[in-house]
Amino acid sequence: GAGVSQSPSNKVTEKGKDVELRCDPISGHTALYWYRQRLGQGLEFLIYFQGNSAPDKSGLPSDRFSAERTGESVSTLTIQRTQQEDSAVYLCASSFLGVQNSGELFFGEGSRLTVL
Amino acid sequence: GDSVTQMEGPVTLSEEAFLTINCTYTATGYPSLFWYVQYPGEGLQLLLKATKADDKGSNKGFEATYRKETTSFHLEKGSVQVSDSAVYFCALSNGGSGGSNYKLTFGKGTLLTVNP
Repeated sequence: GAGVSQSPSNKVTEKGKDVELRCDPISGHTALYWYRQRLGQGLEFLIYFQGNSAPDKSGLPSDRFSAERTGESVSTLTIQRTQQEDSAVYLCASSFLGVQNSGELFFGEGSRLTVL
Repeated sequence: GDSVTQMEGPVTLSEEAFLTINCTYTATGYPSLFWYVQYPGEGLQLLLKATKADDKGSNKGFEATYRKETTSFHLEKGSVQVSDSAVYFCALSNGGSGGSNYKLTFGKGTLLTVNP
């Protein structure tokens, strides 16, 4: 499809396990964002990639969280030693110009993570 | 830091009713303001935006005016339809005072249900 694709759509895991979430952005979009939405909360910025520049990781909540992006393609968000408070919907978005250039963000449907 | 506050939901209306979803913000400088919408089973998508004071964003019959004096960006529609049922998110981006204008700061979202 032409939109942002995320997988898995749902993930249930046990506390302490590692999980990996994948995002396929729209082809040609240089900017890629990860956000998190916990129940009853707004979207929380996690990380931003722009082309080959160093990513802005300032929103990652702890060193258990990491993300990678190869060039301008797929990104993976990895959560190590998951905790119950990591339960949330993880949203990926991509943009051709980026918000700073009044570019629109295109969001995937999200990956719902439940940590038991 | 920057923040967005929008009215608590859920909001339930009958078809053809008038809609207002309040949104206020706290930010230094001159942020850009956005409304995103998430229809059931879909990712968030941009509904409208305004980049400077007194600008009015409009799309699909929805309108919002950037009011700097009241730090507000209320969403309105004169006659809602069942197909408008969705979650609506108010958001801002702000490069002022050293902020990162490529990030969006979101409100918690307001669930709108329109009944026939």
